[in-house]
Amino acid sequence: GAGVSQSPRYKVAKRGQDVALRCDPISGHVSLFWYQQALGQGPEFLTYFQNEAQLDKSGLPSDRFFAERPEGSVSTLKIQRTQQEDSAVYLCASSLALGQNMKNIQYFGAGTRLSVL
Amino acid sequence: QKEVEQDPGPLSVPEGAIVSLNCTYSNSAFQYFMWYRQYSRKGPELLMYTYSSGNKEDGRFTAQVDKSSKYISLFIRDSQPSDSATYLCAMISGTYKYIFGTGTRLKVLA
Repeated sequence: GAGVSQSPRYKVAKRGQDVALRCDPISGHVSLFWYQQALGQGPEFLTYFQNEAQLDKSGLPSDRFFAERPEGSVSTLKIQRTQQEDSAVYLCASSLALGQNMKNIQYFGAGTRLSVL
Repeated sequence: QKEVEQDPGPLSVPEGAIVSLNCTYSNSAFQYFMWYRQYSRKGPELLMYTYSSGNKEDGRFTAQVDKSSKYISLFIRDSQPSDSATYLCAMISGTYKYIFGTGTRLKVLA
């Protein structure tokens, strides 16, 4: 597709449930990022992939959060045993590569709004 | 203290006004500065991208970076109701990690 696609757009989970959020990046983009955006806040970095390798997961808030990108394209963010504080919008972004000359520009999807009841 | 500070607003202006949006930052290593626009329930959309200090103009939008003061600005001329959105500044830490401000909510009144 032309842009970054995320699904589902909305997810309601009961506390304790596991959820899986999907991101389909722009075709050919090497780098993929996940962000968490709380209400009224800017996006906060969660994790970064270069192709299938997860090079930085320093932003994942706990070991209940897990991300993968097994074939270097589609990525899934999984949250186990969801808690109310996990309620947020989860944004995925992709970029052509790293470095200069605008290759590092990140293009964002519309996000998945997760509500944990 | 956050690395990037941005007034959350809301900022209300009449149609046709010049809007000034600002961010300050603490990390002198930041070299790339972006402004994103985010409509309600949508993802951030890139507006402006600048490298190091200086000005950049694109249509009604002008981005300014003053690295000596650690201060960046986005100016919107002839503001329109369709400009009503949240404006996020972002800076790159290292080679890839975006650090965002909290975003400023802008409302342009018809």
